[in-house]
Amino acid sequence: EAGVTQFPSHSVIEKGQTVTLRCDPISGHDNLYWYRRVMGKEIKFLLHFVKESKQDESGMPNNRFLAERTGGTYSTLKVQPAELEDSGVYFCASSLGTGQGFYEQYFGPGTRLTVT
Amino acid sequence: GDSVTQMEGPVTLSEEAFLTINCTYTATGYPSLFWYVQYPGEGLQLLLKATKADDKGSNKGFEATYRKETTSFHLEKGSVQVSDSAVYFCALIVGQNFVFGPGTRLSVLP
Repeated sequence: EAGVTQFPSHSVIEKGQTVTLRCDPISGHDNLYWYRRVMGKEIKFLLHFVKESKQDESGMPNNRFLAERTGGTYSTLKVQPAELEDSGVYFCASSLGTGQGFYEQYFGPGTRLTVT
Repeated sequence: GDSVTQMEGPVTLSEEAFLTINCTYTATGYPSLFWYVQYPGEGLQLLLKATKADDKGSNKGFEATYRKETTSFHLEKGSVQVSDSAVYFCALIVGQNFVFGPGTRLSVLP
């Protein structure tokens, strides 16, 4: 079974440009999460989808970030316009369920974003 | 708010050495605790977890015990291998969303 995949693996853009990151969760996983690790610091939660709905977007840093999950399958995270401080590694994760008990989140390899 | 603190890295050890990576946390609720590992070029993988006080998580020779009295979840391994070289993240979850530590890079030399 394929794991969580992310594209691209690395993106280098100039300040002010737009970048779109894509995440394909494990098939059948309704829950999809975005995290990012900036400047080698801790990995921080950005948002959580349940199917196509945003369950929690409390971690989104500002309105330059837009996440979508049309159809409840893959998700995109768009940064527009990108700033220098957006550089980091963006991780996507998916899980089968939520609620009672622990549903393991399976992480993708991450997209390294460099804004110059 | 909730937070996780890990020892500063990088940590460099010789093969078969004993490993300890310290982790402490602050949480408003009663968290579950985790160690994740990221091998070069790969995503984060769950290494072990503990859901209540005094639980011991273990996997691949690694162990960590949930210590509520000291709010700690230190990772240990008795004899590291070169293949253990990776970045290790301590994390907690209260509700559905993870709070991660900054990560500790481990390099094991042959």
